[in-house]
Amino acid sequence: AAGVIQSPRHLIKEKRETATLKCYPIPRHDTVYWYQQGPGQDPQFLISFYEKMQSDKGSIPDRFSAQQFSDYHSELNMSSLELGDSALYFCASSPTRNEQFFGPGTRLTVL
Amino acid sequence: AQKVTQAQTEISVVEKEDVTLDCVYETRDTTYYLFWYKQPPSGELVFLIRRNSFDEQNEISGRYSWNFQKSTSSFNFTITASQVVDSAVYFCALKNAGGTSYGKLTFGQGTILTVHP
Repeated sequence: AAGVIQSPRHLIKEKRETATLKCYPIPRHDTVYWYQQGPGQDPQFLISFYEKMQSDKGSIPDRFSAQQFSDYHSELNMSSLELGDSALYFCASSPTRNEQFFGPGTRLTVL
Repeated sequence: AQKVTQAQTEISVVEKEDVTLDCVYETRDTTYYLFWYKQPPSGELVFLIRRNSFDEQNEISGRYSWNFQKSTSSFNFTITASQVVDSAVYFCALKNAGGTSYGKLTFGQGTILTVHP
């Protein structure tokens, strides 16, 4: 069965650089979520999209933005990266806003 | 506001022991969903179970079982005859079903389970 795809799986950036993370949801899933998991922390909700419109927003820094495109894939753009942005970033998709299927995550390291 | 508390930060057991991971939640909503996820050292989040607030039946799946008690707002997870491969971080999570939350998950802090051979 198709799963959520995230790319890249690993990303290393310098401070103040920009990063773009991509998420390809499971086909026919209409909702995408982004979560950030710092080292030793639980995943924290960042933002979600339902039918390409932003549906909810969590503790997402102003330096971050996200969108969902016409083909339902989503991108999380992160600018002016800080050391504290080093984390595992998960994308999840959902067909009904009940189940959430997580991708493998993108591990971002900011040096 | 909703909150999930996993009071056990770390648990260490020897293979074949039974182990219970505790989860207590808070929510003002009457309709909600509870989840357990497993995060092995490789990092991915593996879905284990979803339970809705109207269904207090306990569930068993192989060596895994879940005890949902609405009266105490708890959703505990038991692994019977633990194995080394069960070593992982386990997260309990809550999702409100209605309103404008659009289903975001609130996670507990996680419990690190180590099973020694």
